[in-house]
Amino acid sequence: AQSVSQHNHHVILSEAASLELGCNYSYGGTVNLFWYVQYPGQHLQLLLKYFSGDPLVKGIKGFEAEFIKSKFSFNLRKPSVQWSDTAEYFCAVKGFGNEKLTFGTGTRLTIIP
Amino acid sequence: GEEVAQTPKHLVRGEGQKAKLYCAPIKGHSYVFWYQQVLKNEFKFLISFQNENVFDETGMPKERFSAKCLPNSPCSLEIQATKLEDSAVYFCASSQLVPSSGNTIYFGEGSWLTVV
Repeated sequence: AQSVSQHNHHVILSEAASLELGCNYSYGGTVNLFWYVQYPGQHLQLLLKYFSGDPLVKGIKGFEAEFIKSKFSFNLRKPSVQWSDTAEYFCAVKGFGNEKLTFGTGTRLTIIP
Repeated sequence: GEEVAQTPKHLVRGEGQKAKLYCAPIKGHSYVFWYQQVLKNEFKFLISFQNENVFDETGMPKERFSAKCLPNSPCSLEIQATKLEDSAVYFCASSQLVPSSGNTIYFGEGSWLTVV
């Protein structure tokens, strides 16, 4: 069975600070990895995804994530956060051949102006 | 359409009443997924369809929950005899062809069910 761990439940940063949100997954085979963002009162939006190739993937709004296979990790990063980045961030994994996403419990990010 | 459309946005039901939620996937998408999000935390997978066929129903509670995706109709998720613990946001998602090939799963805005 596949599972995802997001150890940071709530992160508070000041504007312009750098961000790294942790994501570790458990699955024995090839995986597809995703980061979704949920702004207050809104639906999930895809930030970025990794399927194959370059393990450093760039997404929308200046976010990037690095897939480190040896560490089973897919951490999300942004060099300089903005107040508008305040949201809930979900890491998700899909095992190859398994069509459903398994989500982590999310990390609430609060940016202080 | 270009987005996953879910109705209603909000639904309030008394305990024991039936609740029915609808989802129109993005045009051309053949996979549909239902997820339950409780208290803004974990997303629980419920069921997926490939066209009108159930693809994976390992997350569906055996009792009270049912879902359908019929041709030329929105997909539906129905809860018979709702309980307080069913209060959640129910998200529908869709994807094109086989997600394993690299296609993204797109989510709707969710239907907020409150059972009182």
